[in-house]
Amino acid sequence: DQQVKQNSPSLSVQEGRISILNCDYTNSMFDYFLWYKKYPAEGPTFLISISSIKDKNEDGRFTVFLNKSAKHLSLHIVPSQPGDSAVYFCAAWEGGSQGNLIFGKGTKLSVKP
Amino acid sequence: KAGVTQTPRYLIKTRGQQVTLSCSPISGHRSVSWYQQTPGQGLQFLFEYFSETQRNKGNFPGRFSGRQFSNSRSEMNVSTLELGDSALYLCASSTGAPNQPQHFGDGTRLSIL
Repeated sequence: DQQVKQNSPSLSVQEGRISILNCDYTNSMFDYFLWYKKYPAEGPTFLISISSIKDKNEDGRFTVFLNKSAKHLSLHIVPSQPGDSAVYFCAAWEGGSQGNLIFGKGTKLSVKP
Repeated sequence: KAGVTQTPRYLIKTRGQQVTLSCSPISGHRSVSWYQQTPGQGLQFLFEYFSETQRNKGNFPGRFSGRQFSNSRSEMNVSTLELGDSALYLCASSTGAPNQPQHFGDGTRLSIL
C-alpha cells in the first residue's frame, strides 16, 4: 500500500513554461516532505523540502506547496529549462522516525526546447 | 565538499553468492541509510545506521544486513543472492537530526545472473 503517490508517470512541458509535479500522501503523521531530481546513472539530488508547519517554500525557480488538509503537495518549476528534464521523486518523513524516507515512484519530466 | 561515495559502481554476481557494498558519507554526517531501487517498486528503505548502531530497518529479509564503522562509513551485505536482488542500491547520508535532507550517492548497480 503506497503511502506516497505520484500519479503521473510522465509530464511534457515547453521550455519557458511552468512545470507542475504533483504528489499525494496518505499518512497524516508525515511532517517533512522533500523533492529529489534524478538523472540516469546518477543518484537522486536533493532539490527542496518543506516542513508541515509551512504551506510554501521557495528556492529560485523551484517552489513547493503543501496542502495538509488534502494531503497533497506540488512542485512548481518556473521557468522550465531543458536541463530540468529528469525523474522527480517526492519523499516524506514520518515525525519521530529515523532515517526512513518514503518515496513516490517518480514522475519523468521532459522539457522541450 | 565531497559527496557520498559508493563503491563499486557496478557488480555482477551469480545466484547463491554474497556481496558487500560500501558507502562513504559526506564528511561530518553520522547517519547512513540504504535504499533499493527497482523499476517496479521504486526506492525502498533497507536500513539506517547512526553512530554505528542500526536505528531503523525496512521490510527486507535477514539476508540483507549492514554495519557502520567509527568513521561513519557503512557497508551493506547481501547473502545467498537471488535473481530478484538485481537492483540499484543507493546510500544516503545526513546529519541524523530531524527534518534534515538525505544526500545520495550514485549507487551500486548489482546484477545477478
